Amino acid sequence: DGGITQSPKYLFRKEGQNVTLSCEQNLNHDAMYWYRQDPGQGLRLIYYSQIVNDFQKGDIAEGYSVSREKKESFPLTVTSAQKNPTAFYLCASSDRSKTTNEKLFFGSGTQLSVL
Amino acid sequence: RKEVEQDPGPFNVPEGATVAFNCTYSNSASQSFFWYRQDCRKEPKLLMSVYSSGNEDGRFTAQLNRASQYISLLIRDSKLSDSATYLCVVISNTGGFKTIFGAGTRLFVKA
Repeated sequence: DGGITQSPKYLFRKEGQNVTLSCEQNLNHDAMYWYRQDPGQGLRLIYYSQIVNDFQKGDIAEGYSVSREKKESFPLTVTSAQKNPTAFYLCASSDRSKTTNEKLFFGSGTQLSVL
Repeated sequence: RKEVEQDPGPFNVPEGATVAFNCTYSNSASQSFFWYRQDCRKEPKLLMSVYSSGNEDGRFTAQLNRASQYISLLIRDSKLSDSATYLCVVISNTGGFKTIFGAGTRLFVKA
């Protein structure tokens, strides 16, 4: 079955530590996204990538980094510069060739907490 | 003003009730509109797209009012399984595609 796989489901970060969240998709989608969700808030865009080897900052990119070396993979690193990393992180993909009718397909999310 | 605003609720309704959610958006150039459903600590899932002519999918009806810049979702004959958070999503294409999520409206359906 095609879909998006995020791992791990739960992740704990120690102070000063970098951690990487995995996101893999086999939908052959060009565009991939990382969102952060805090309780009672909507999803906020961290980074997005419309094509391999290219990515753009979203609304809250500070303290995060990404790479897009392969079409199917878009890992997110939460660096020590991100002072409030506790949140639910969601990866998504879409087929950007379909103009504005951009339906997003989400992974099951990673809950990151600080020890 | 937020780009997409929703009443956070929660809405507490009995089974069988009809409930309506509204969502307002600030960018008049917005082009596509969706409702997503999200269960607690799960990923959002597309519920339905929203068209100017209005559209219906079983017990769910979505409406778009471009003049007043709002969309709505009506749920008839509420079921316990409808309990979730409903996210309004707006896509605009001014200076590049931009997808904006509302903060969500929480619905509790009780027996």
